[in-house]
Amino acid sequence: EAGVTQFPSHSVIEKGQTVTLRCDPISGHDNLYWYRRVMGKEIKFLLHFVKESKQDESGMPNNRFLAERTGGTYSTLKVQPAELEDSGVYFCASSLRTGGVYGYTFGSGTRLTVV
Amino acid sequence: GQQLNQSPQSMFIQEGEDVSMNCTSSSIFNTWLWYKQDPGEGPVLLIALYKAGELTSNGRLTAQFGITRKDSFLNISASIPSDVGIYFCAGYNSGGSNYKLTFGKGTLLTVNP
Repeated sequence: EAGVTQFPSHSVIEKGQTVTLRCDPISGHDNLYWYRRVMGKEIKFLLHFVKESKQDESGMPNNRFLAERTGGTYSTLKVQPAELEDSGVYFCASSLRTGGVYGYTFGSGTRLTVV
Repeated sequence: GQQLNQSPQSMFIQEGEDVSMNCTSSSIFNTWLWYKQDPGEGPVLLIALYKAGELTSNGRLTAQFGITRKDSFLNISASIPSDVGIYFCAGYNSGGSNYKLTFGKGTLLTVNP
């Protein structure tokens, strides 16, 4: 089966611009998560979707970040306007509702650099 | 919020040596996980620990869930070059279907052949 797919793999944008990251979860996975790792720091939870509903968005840094999951399939994470501190690697993960942690699969990430 | 302190930050070892890394938490988790991230890839689960005191092996990897539920360690025996990568500990408290993970900062492992 195809894994979790994220694109782009890299993005370099200027401060103040807008960037949209996309995540395609494993087919049939209702749970979709976004995480972020700023260089040298921990991987931090951003938010969790169950199908198209936001279950937990307690990790979203501020209102410049907007996540959507229309139709409960792929998800997008938009940063507008981007700031320097938004640079990092953004990971998406998906799992079945009852899959357990071994079914919790991460994508390869999008490395975002804001200059 | 919950924080995990992972150490060491980095390790440089010779092929064949054993490696140990650990993680401590300011609060209790009921599940501890160890992940490995290869360059350009996402984290991949190595070992999951579900019970306090549990000791689990996966090939050359051994991990333990601390008795206080606030710590865990990972050992790698007889390291090989492909062990290179970043190792992350993670914890979560299961409830319903929300697998929100709390990660440590990672241990960067370099193995010299």
